[in-house]
Amino acid sequence: DTAVSQTPKYLVTQMGNDKSIKCEQNLGHDTMYWYKQDSKKFLKIMFSYNNKELIINETVPNRFSPKSPDKAHLNLHINSLELGDSAVYFCASSPRYSGNYNEQFFGPGTRLTVL
Amino acid sequence: GQNIDQPTEMTATEGAIVQINCTYQTSGFNGLFWYQQHAGEAPTFLSYNVLDGLEEKGRFSSFLSRSKGYSYLLLKELQMKDSASYLCAVREDSGYSTLTFGKGTMLLVSP
Repeated sequence: DTAVSQTPKYLVTQMGNDKSIKCEQNLGHDTMYWYKQDSKKFLKIMFSYNNKELIINETVPNRFSPKSPDKAHLNLHINSLELGDSAVYFCASSPRYSGNYNEQFFGPGTRLTVL
Repeated sequence: GQNIDQPTEMTATEGAIVQINCTYQTSGFNGLFWYQQHAGEAPTFLSYNVLDGLEEKGRFSSFLSRSKGYSYLLLKELQMKDSASYLCAVREDSGYSTLTFGKGTMLLVSP
């Protein structure tokens, strides 16, 4: 019954490693997002995809590469992890790419800790 | 770009009413959202305003004034479980659905 799911929930890794976070939504939504929430709880958009196409890339370092194999999945791959990448990463989805009412549904988050 | 301001923290007692304000400065506007986020959990949708006025949904209400760039979330009959962070988010009138979030207001409800 999970609407937006992410794996893993926790990820602890060393600096310089490469890691991936997976996201899946079973709501039939067209648009998916990745957000980063830092230690001060500030939630900031990173990427937005609509029907597998990249729509928004908010000046995120190119070490971060999203991939959408189909519109139900949006994965996030991070190369050469840095200490500053430690945060909670939330995946979200919404029904339409644009429109007046467009509630976003968030996944449970992935807490990434880089040592 | 966008600038969204809300108080960092607020405290209130059980059964009381609390109002959380949000002001925004944007080049365009196509809706304001309020989300609730409990510690260690995902944000969940509370309310949406795109026209001026008050939207009521049970114990929660949200108000919008577009001319003033101002919104508030009103929580009535506060319960302990309402202790959470409340996030104000604005969608620019750019055709995209991306939200820009404020830094959140941590509300602590005490007995």
